[in-house]
Formats: sequence, C-alpha cells, structure tokens
Amino acid sequence: EAGVTQSPRYAVLQEGQAVSFWCDPISGHDTLYWYQQPRDQGPQLLVYFRDEAVIDNSQLPSDRFSAVRPKGTNSTLKIQSAKQGDTATYLCASGTANTEVFFGKGTRLTVV
Amino acid sequence: KTQVEQSPQSLVVRQGENCVLQCNYSVTPDNHLRWFKQDTGKGLVSLTVLVDQKDKTSNGRYSATLDKDAKHSTLHITATLLDDTATYICVVGAGTSGGNYKPTFGKGTSLVVHP
Repeated sequence: EAGVTQSPRYAVLQEGQAVSFWCDPISGHDTLYWYQQPRDQGPQLLVYFRDEAVIDNSQLPSDRFSAVRPKGTNSTLKIQSAKQGDTATYLCASGTANTEVFFGKGTRLTVV
Repeated sequence: KTQVEQSPQSLVVRQGENCVLQCNYSVTPDNHLRWFKQDTGKGLVSLTVLVDQKDKTSNGRYSATLDKDAKHSTLHITATLLDDTATYICVVGAGTSGGNYKPTFGKGTSLVVHP
C-alpha cells in the first residue's frame, strides 16, 4: 500500500517568494493534516481537513498561508511572500476515525 | 511552557549499547502516548503506543513504559544499530484515531549511534 506522498522533498526560496507544497494522502483516508516542524522542534498542527472541509485552521497564519483540498483527496499548502521564520519541515499526514495517522516524509523548506 | 519535555536533548552511543530516552509531560488529556522515530529518509514512523495507566510495550529492540500518575514515559532501545540514528519524538494526546489527531509533540531526542 502506498503511503502519504509529498512533493517537493526540498525547497529553497528567497524572502518574498511564494511556494506550494503538495500532498497525496493514503487512498480512502478522509482526514488530512498539515504540520509545521521548525528545526529542533516537534511538529505543530497548521490545519486539517475532513474530506474537502477545513475542520481547524486556527494555527494557520492566514495572511500568508493557505491550504486547500478541493476534491477531498490531494491537498496543497501555499505560502505567499515567504519569510525566514517559515524555514521548517512541512509534514502531511492522513488517517480515518478507524485507523491511526500516517505521516509523509515531509518537505524541507529553507528561506534565505 | 513546554507541555511535553524530552530528555536528553541529544545522545551519542556506540553500536551495541543500550540507551534510555525520557518523556515528561503536563498535557491533558493523556489517553495515549506514542513514540515516533523520525529520520530524513523515512519521515515519522510510529514505534509504539501506550494507553493504560501503567503500561508497558515491546516492539523488537524497542520497549516503552508509561506511568500516567507520574506523567512520565521511557523508551528503551536495546543493542543499538547504526540505523537507530534518528530523532525520537514523544507525543501525548486524547486518542490515536487518525480522524481527529491533534496531540502535543515533544521536541525530540536526537540519537547518534557510532560504529
């Protein structure tokens, strides 16, 4: 069974540039999560979806970050006008009420 | 205030040695505690989950304990291998359901295993 797939694996940007991260969850998983993990810290939830609906985006910096999951399958996390403080690994995870959660390998973002 | 505290922050051992990682927490609810292994090649991989008031689990060379009264967990790695080099993250939350996974993550312990 394929796991959670994320792309790209790495991204390097200058401040002010935009970037998008893509996540393909495990087939059949209705819930999809985006986590931000700064260096030497644990992951922190940014947003999560059930099917195409946003359930909780309270930790998503709404002025520059956006996330969508239009068909309830793949999801895109976008950062407009990146800042150095956005440097982190961005993790996608998926699951259902009857499974545990599974994580992708992450996208490592560096903003210089 | 840090709600899930892991120690040591980093650890270096020689291949074949045993090691113990600690996790202290103040998070509620604490229905479950999970240990993840995180390395750059494989992302976050679950090692074990503990749920009982005083719980013990074993998964190959990994064994773990949980004491909810003390809000403390340990992860033991026996006869370490080079492939054990990774960050080990302690996670505490209400449940393990993938449908509502909003636990609190520790910062992790970085383990390096030398030949």
